[in-house]
Amino acid sequence: DAGVIQSPRHEVTEMGQEVTLRCKPISGHDYLFWYRQTMMRGLELLIYFNNNVPIDDSGMPEDRFSAKMPNASFSTLKIQPSEPRDSAVYFCASSSKSDRNFLWNTEAFFGQGTRLTVV
Amino acid sequence: AQKITQTQPGMFVQEKEAVTLDCTYDTSDPSYGLFWYKQPSSGEMIFLIYQGSYDQQNATEGRYSLNFQKARKSANLVISASQLGDSAMYFCAMREALWRGSTLGRLYFGRGTQLTVWP
Repeated sequence: DAGVIQSPRHEVTEMGQEVTLRCKPISGHDYLFWYRQTMMRGLELLIYFNNNVPIDDSGMPEDRFSAKMPNASFSTLKIQPSEPRDSAVYFCASSSKSDRNFLWNTEAFFGQGTRLTVV
Repeated sequence: AQKITQTQPGMFVQEKEAVTLDCTYDTSDPSYGLFWYKQPSSGEMIFLIYQGSYDQQNATEGRYSLNFQKARKSANLVISASQLGDSAMYFCAMREALWRGSTLGRLYFGRGTQLTVWP
């Protein structure tokens, strides 16, 4: 398995532009998480999905942020319009239920992250 | 209240020595899982070790072991025989099992501990 795949790895954009981050989870995983990492705030959970349905988006900072998961193998995180304070590393992670159908004993597998710089 | 607390922003250890990274957690659920991740300077998040709330024995994975003290709600990571390559940021995380509104399946992270191994 190729693991969680994120694109692009690096993105530099001008303030006000739309930014779209992409994520392909591990096949068969039914949970997908979007995290943002900054020095000031650490790892923040933005939103997560279960079976393509958003479960908790309370971490999405503003209406400028939106996330979709149109199918089990693809998710996007969009920022429109982008601002310099959105500069961060954005991680996508996926996990599954264990074979015992429990939730708490399965680790999340992270993508390599997208380093976003808004100038 | 913080779900995961890592009180050591930075730790230093000499090569070949053992080091303990602290983690305390907050939950009222009887079923939960505790995880440790390593983030080297390259940025990827690497899963290290898992401990379930019902596990009778402390988890071990090679040079990593988890000192799980359930009554004290602590899950410290012990790295034995430190190597220069262990220098990284280490994150403690928790997943709860019970449905509490929208928290089912959510993965909580601490702020991390930066470990530096010196020769």
